[in-house]
Amino acid sequence: DSGVTQTPKHLITATGQRVTLRCSPRSGDLSVYWYQQSLDQGLQFLIQYYNGEERAKGNILERFSAQQFPDLHSELNLSSLELGDSALYFCASSVTSGIENEQFFGPGTRLTVL
Amino acid sequence: GQNIDQPTEMTATEGAIVQINCTYQTSGFNGLFWYQQHAGEAPTFLSYNVLDGLEEKGRFSSFLSRSKGYSYLLLKELQMKDSASYLCAVSGGSGGSYIPTFGRGTSLIVHP
Repeated sequence: DSGVTQTPKHLITATGQRVTLRCSPRSGDLSVYWYQQSLDQGLQFLIQYYNGEERAKGNILERFSAQQFPDLHSELNLSSLELGDSALYFCASSVTSGIENEQFFGPGTRLTVL
Repeated sequence: GQNIDQPTEMTATEGAIVQINCTYQTSGFNGLFWYQQHAGEAPTFLSYNVLDGLEEKGRFSSFLSRSKGYSYLLLKELQMKDSASYLCAVSGGSGGSYIPTFGRGTSLIVHP
């Protein structure tokens, strides 16, 4: 158990819908990262937040958005869902903002878009 | 852009040694990660190399050659539980970006 929690564990929805994935970092970690892992694309970095502020942005679609709240939990919002958005979404956390720091991954949310 | 190559699959015998290679082409380089990921589970951090050379951590070692754009993960005294996917990721791009780019992973199968 990494100490990072993600909810829900599984999510099944339809195309065009909007969903919110939630992540709580390890106690004391200020940085949160979101990743998408699909069979055809592998693991891809989406976005990083540090202490409430966006720190780095990767291959995140405009239909996706994220935020980190004052209590440091983070949410990833996915809208106008498409079949290709079906994937495992991981959240990770680390103590500081430097990406070289060890990241601890949550168990992931498996999103299925039908 | 960044390109990372690693073998798709490798097999080895319990108790043996296996080396998983990773080659990369990037416009900038800040560091290289190795992660282990068991099927259906989250990745777990194994190592982070910034400087050339070998870093040993128990049964696992990671090597980096920045001039050759090459790294390997060495697993000794293989155990059945080492069967997993091993992901190589490079941090760094234009402008010194720290955004990591992951390879597709090497699926390691350990046989008794």
